[in-house]
Amino acid sequence: DAKTTQPTSMDCAEGRAANLPCNHSTISGNEYVYWYRQIHSQGPQYIIHGLKNNETNEMASLIITEDRKSSTLILPHATLRDTAVYYCIVRPRMDSSYKLIFGSGTRLLVRP
Amino acid sequence: GAVVSQHPSWVICKSGTSVKIECRSLDFQATTMFWYRQFPKQSLMLMATSNEGSKATYEQGVEKDKFLINHASLTLSTLTVTSAHPEDSSFYICSAQSGPNYGYTFGSGTRLTVV
Repeated sequence: DAKTTQPTSMDCAEGRAANLPCNHSTISGNEYVYWYRQIHSQGPQYIIHGLKNNETNEMASLIITEDRKSSTLILPHATLRDTAVYYCIVRPRMDSSYKLIFGSGTRLLVRP
Repeated sequence: GAVVSQHPSWVICKSGTSVKIECRSLDFQATTMFWYRQFPKQSLMLMATSNEGSKATYEQGVEKDKFLINHASLTLSTLTVTSAHPEDSSFYICSAQSGPNYGYTFGSGTRLTVV
């Protein structure tokens, strides 16, 4: 299984963009990059996923490098409610029985 | 969107008793559900994979006789912590795949405190 590495913690000012990097240098061709976040004492929440193209939705943007060895999650205008632990995970998309394994994630603190 | 309902959200029980946690997929069918445990300031640790109509598959180091999993229907999986002890106090979370575009949907978690 491909593994990911993320910085332990980051912080940004409210209203500014938060850029969260993820390294997945051993990703294979059929694996997607998924991002989840976990706000304190809640279950993880899906944010976005992508294969090789950049993706954007109402929550965030995902930038994947051309070689797919790394990606960046962008929260364009961070708010205090975005303070959470963010997890970058790679997995085959269509395998419903695939076990989702969480790494340590990045603890993002959004400062007032 | 897909919703996974988990109950109870918190429970306090006495040492030696058993506690059942329910996980329901509200608007989709889930042949496979997953159970995680999370200790304070740590990441989620996968405990077991729950398969509808068959036995659960447990991760290495997880006691299957202590953490009983039942997945009797396509929308319900239960985790029973038997003979609970204080070291079982943790945050338990279930999840299910809600469709290829959304990966996994997670329940809101159950905080178990054993006294």
